[in-house]
Amino acid sequence: KAGVTQTPRYLIKTRGQQVTLSCSPISGHRSVSWYQQTPGQGLQFLFEYFSETQRNKGNFPGRFSGRQFSNSRSEMNVSTLELGDSALYLCASTSGDATNEKLFFGSGTQLSVL
Amino acid sequence: SQQGEEDPQALSIQEGENATMNCSYKTSINNLQWYRQNSGRGLVHLILIRSNEREKHSGRLRVTLDTSKKSSSLLITASRAADTASYFCATDHSYIPTFGRGTSLIVHP
Repeated sequence: KAGVTQTPRYLIKTRGQQVTLSCSPISGHRSVSWYQQTPGQGLQFLFEYFSETQRNKGNFPGRFSGRQFSNSRSEMNVSTLELGDSALYLCASTSGDATNEKLFFGSGTQLSVL
Repeated sequence: SQQGEEDPQALSIQEGENATMNCSYKTSINNLQWYRQNSGRGLVHLILIRSNEREKHSGRLRVTLDTSKKSSSLLITASRAADTASYFCATDHSYIPTFGRGTSLIVHP
């Protein structure tokens, strides 16, 4: 079974630009969660999508958005990038059928905002 | 906000020694999970312990859970250089696992 795939692996953007990150979950998984990881704040939950619907949302500004497609692949978008958005963005998938299942993580997208 | 907090923030030991990391949390939980992260990579699930369990083993890993103290510990026995990584606990706050800031473990060969 293929694991969770995140693309691209590295990304460099400048302030004010927007960026789209992609996540393909494990086959059969319908839930995709996104996390932002920075050295100072650790892992912060962004949002979770299940069957194309946002099911849970963290405490991030509206510049951070996401969506999920019918094949469970998910994208997250960050508009009007700020220097503080530089982080490792991780997605994780589960079947979504039960609460608090084991998460399967991708390798992440390292975003640098200059 | 972090539900679980790991302690210590950093731990440096010699190969062959045991490593113990602790996790404290604030609200009641259904289960607690431990994950490992190698530098700059995704997290890998290690073990899940449910609130009605007190101890769980997996290979060289031993996890304990004390719900009265709202704390858990992860013990890695006979550590190896390959165990060098960051370790996170995750608690089931609001349906989604919520992570602490992690313990950075360095095992010197």
